[in-house]
Amino acid sequence: GAGVSQSPRYKVTKRGQDVALRCDPISGHVSLYWYRQALGQGPEFLTYFNYEAQQDKSGLPNDRFSAERPEGSISTLTIQRTEQRDSAMYRCASSSRPNANTGELFFGEGSRLTVL
Amino acid sequence: QKEVEQNSGPLSVPEGAIASLNCTYSDRGSQSFFWYRQYSGKSPELIMFIYSNGDKEDGRFTAQLNKASQYVSLLIRDSQPSDSATYLCAVLQAAGNKLTFGGGTRVLVKP
Repeated sequence: GAGVSQSPRYKVTKRGQDVALRCDPISGHVSLYWYRQALGQGPEFLTYFNYEAQQDKSGLPNDRFSAERPEGSISTLTIQRTEQRDSAMYRCASSSRPNANTGELFFGEGSRLTVL
Repeated sequence: QKEVEQNSGPLSVPEGAIASLNCTYSDRGSQSFFWYRQYSGKSPELIMFIYSNGDKEDGRFTAQLNKASQYVSLLIRDSQPSDSATYLCAVLQAAGNKLTFGGGTRVLVKP
């Protein structure tokens, strides 16, 4: 597609439910990053992929968070047993180079998660 | 200590003045540094990158890097109201190649 597409744009869920956030990167982009951004804060690194391989998941807060990119294109970030503190904007970004070593990440519009 | 630190602001500058933004980082091995701009309610977008010590100019923007001091700055000359946004400093970590962002500096340019 023309840009990074994320869905859903808005998700409201009840505490304890599982949610899946989807990211469709720019066609042909090699690396894909997930960030979480609280209001008034910078993006917080969660995890990233080169192709289908998860290179670094050190930013995932705990084992309720997981991500996959099975075919090296679309990625899903899954949060199990959601808690109110998980409420945030979740941003996906992609880059044409492995490891984003040009530093140019193209961000999607984000998925705003609200946990009640 | 945070990996990338910025003053949160807001930095208020009159139209036409120079806005000066600062960023420090903790990973001494980092080699690549970036400035992103984020308008309210929008996604970050890359405006500058710098890899070598010294200054790099692009239009009204100048990025400055001092690796010995682990310090990166961004100057915006002839500031315009349209420059009002949050500016995010990002550092490509030497270990793991993850791109780490600072908390951002909010800039307000007043006509």
